[in-house]
Amino acid sequence: NAGVTQTPKFQVLKTGQSMTLQCAQDMNHEYMSWYRQDPGMGLRLIHYSVGAGITDQGEVPNGYNVSRSTTEDFPLRLLSAAPSQTSVYFCASGEQETQYFGPGTRLLVL
Amino acid sequence: RKEVEQDPGPFNVPEGATVAFNCTYSNSASQSFFWYRQDCRKEPKLLMSVYSSGNEDGRFTAQLNRASQYISLLIRDSKLSDSATYLCGTGNQFYFGTGTSLTVIP
Repeated sequence: NAGVTQTPKFQVLKTGQSMTLQCAQDMNHEYMSWYRQDPGMGLRLIHYSVGAGITDQGEVPNGYNVSRSTTEDFPLRLLSAAPSQTSVYFCASGEQETQYFGPGTRLLVL
Repeated sequence: RKEVEQDPGPFNVPEGATVAFNCTYSNSASQSFFWYRQDCRKEPKLLMSVYSSGNEDGRFTAQLNRASQYISLLIRDSKLSDSATYLCGTGNQFYFGTGTSLTVIP
C-alpha cells in the first residue's frame, strides 16, 4: 500500500495563477481532508469529504475548491493563487479515530 | 474561538525528565481525541488516541478530562528521539491545535 500520496512535492506559482494539488489514497477510506500548515497557526482544515460526491468546508475554505468523484482521489484547486496561500498543504484520509497524512506539498506564491 | 488550543512551547527538557502537555477544546460534544507527532518538515503521524478512561503506551500516557474539556499527554523518561512537535486534536472533522514543540537535551 502506498498510503496517501500527494503531488507535486514543491510548487512555485505567480499571483493569479491556478493549479490543482493532487491527493490519492489506496486504503479505501471514506473520509479525506485537506489542511494547510503555517508557522504559529498549526494545521487548519480547508475542506473535507465523507465520501464520493460529498464535500464540505472546514475552517479556511476561501480561495480553494474541492471535488470527490472517486473514493481514492481528492484534488484541491487554487482558483487564483495569492501570496497568502503560501503554505504547506497536507492531505489526509482516515477512519473515525485515525487519520493518515500524505507527505505534503510546499507551495510558494510570488 | 479555535476548536482546540494548546501551548506552543517550546519545551526544553533534559533526557530522563517527565514532561506534560495540555490541550483545551471548545466543543463539548466532541467524541474523538488524539495526539499526533510531527517531526521537522514531515507529515503528522498518530501517536495515540485518547480514551475516556485514559490510556498508556509505554512511556506515554494520555488523559481526557471532559468536565474541564482538556486532554493531556505525559511523557516519562524523555529520550532524545522524543524531540518533535506534538499536536492534539479532536472532533469528527479532526481539528488540531497549533502544536507544542519539545526538545530533549542530552
